[in-house]
Amino acid sequence: DSGVTQTPKHLITATGQRVTLRCSPRSGDLSVYWYQQSLDQGLQFLIQYYNGEERAKGNILERFSAQQFPDLHSELNLSSLELGDSALYFCASSTSPGERGETQYFGPGTRLLVL
Amino acid sequence: AQSVTQLDSHVSVSEGTPVLLRCNYSSSYSPSLFWYVQHPNKGLQLLLKYTSAATLVKGINGFEAEFKKSETSFHLTKPSAHMSDAAEYFCVVSDRNNDMRFGAGTRLTVKP
Repeated sequence: DSGVTQTPKHLITATGQRVTLRCSPRSGDLSVYWYQQSLDQGLQFLIQYYNGEERAKGNILERFSAQQFPDLHSELNLSSLELGDSALYFCASSTSPGERGETQYFGPGTRLLVL
Repeated sequence: AQSVTQLDSHVSVSEGTPVLLRCNYSSSYSPSLFWYVQHPNKGLQLLLKYTSAATLVKGINGFEAEFKKSETSFHLTKPSAHMSDAAEYFCVVSDRNNDMRFGAGTRLTVKP
């Protein structure tokens, strides 16, 4: 158990809908990272927050957004969902804003199915 | 930009035999390299990492990896496979900003 929690575990929704995925980092970690894992694209970095501020952006679509709250939990919002958004979404956390070689600890993921 | 190539999408070994999962990297900066394991329906767990200290890195569950700069490789090995090692393994390279790039993964099957 990494200490990173994600809810819900599974989510089934329809195209065009909006969902929110939630992540609580390990105690003491200030950075939260979001990743998408799909069969065709593999594991891709979406976005990072550090202590409430956006720190780095990866391959995140404009339909997706995220935020980190004062208690350090983070939410990933996915809107206007398409079939291709079906994937496993991981959250990871670390202590620093992104020091070289720092370990990221991953949560169990949220499996999203868009029908 | 950095990238990583896992040379085998699937490796199958018999229980008790050695495991070799191959990874080559590309980086314009001194990289940090990681191996993560993902068991079915689970998150990713760190096996080991290299960050410019000893080139031979020992990880959990008997795994180790050797950083070879001349070959730009970071292959993962284990002397004797166990049934519980069956999983997906990811090689990851990160640069000085800790921008992590994942390989496509290698699925390890362990036969009894």
